[in-house]
Amino acid sequence: AQSVTQPDIHITVSEGASLELRCNYSYGATPYLFWYVQSPGQGLQLLLKYFSGDTLVQGIKGFEAEFKRSQSSFNLRKPSVHWSDAAEYFCAVGRRGFQKLVFGTGTRLLVSP
Amino acid sequence: DGGITQSPKYLFRKEGQNVTLSCEQNLNHDAMYWYRQDPGQGLRLIYYSQIVNDFQKGDIAEGYSVSREKKESFPLTVTSAQKNPTAFYLCASCTGPSGANVLTFGAGSRLTVL
Repeated sequence: AQSVTQPDIHITVSEGASLELRCNYSYGATPYLFWYVQSPGQGLQLLLKYFSGDTLVQGIKGFEAEFKRSQSSFNLRKPSVHWSDAAEYFCAVGRRGFQKLVFGTGTRLLVSP
Repeated sequence: DGGITQSPKYLFRKEGQNVTLSCEQNLNHDAMYWYRQDPGQGLRLIYYSQIVNDFQKGDIAEGYSVSREKKESFPLTVTSAQKNPTAFYLCASCTGPSGANVLTFGAGSRLTVL
């Protein structure tokens, strides 16, 4: 069965510092991979997605993620974090033509001044 | 602008009562979904529907029911059989299987059982 692991429940980063959020997946087929962000009490917003091709994908708000098949990972990165990036981040996996996504348990990002 | 509207945003229920959460979309998406979110557990799929008049159970369908009579609407009923209904409920939609698997989410409904 497919699964997504986000090993960090909470991460605190200083404003201006770089960020990396980890995501590992287990999936039998070629995966479609996603990162979503959720502000408190709100719905989820898509940050970026990987379907195929270039393994480094760019998203909104200056985020990027790299697909590493050998490590079954899809880590999210940002070179310089802003206070407005404080939110919860979810990694998700799916596959073409089958629209059930499996979500990780999320990582809450705190940004310190 | 197109999007998903969930209502109400906050709902309080007494034990033993059924409640219905509304989800309406004007994105012309074929597929719609209901997820439940609890702290530390991520999102878990309750029900999904890929076309009108058809829907499938997700991973935690017990105690919930849905209908899909119109393309735009996918209401969720939380029945008295749901043992722990207090949670944040998210509705989402997506284009059909031929499209990308990108979900668009509503702003959510928070249900509290008193």
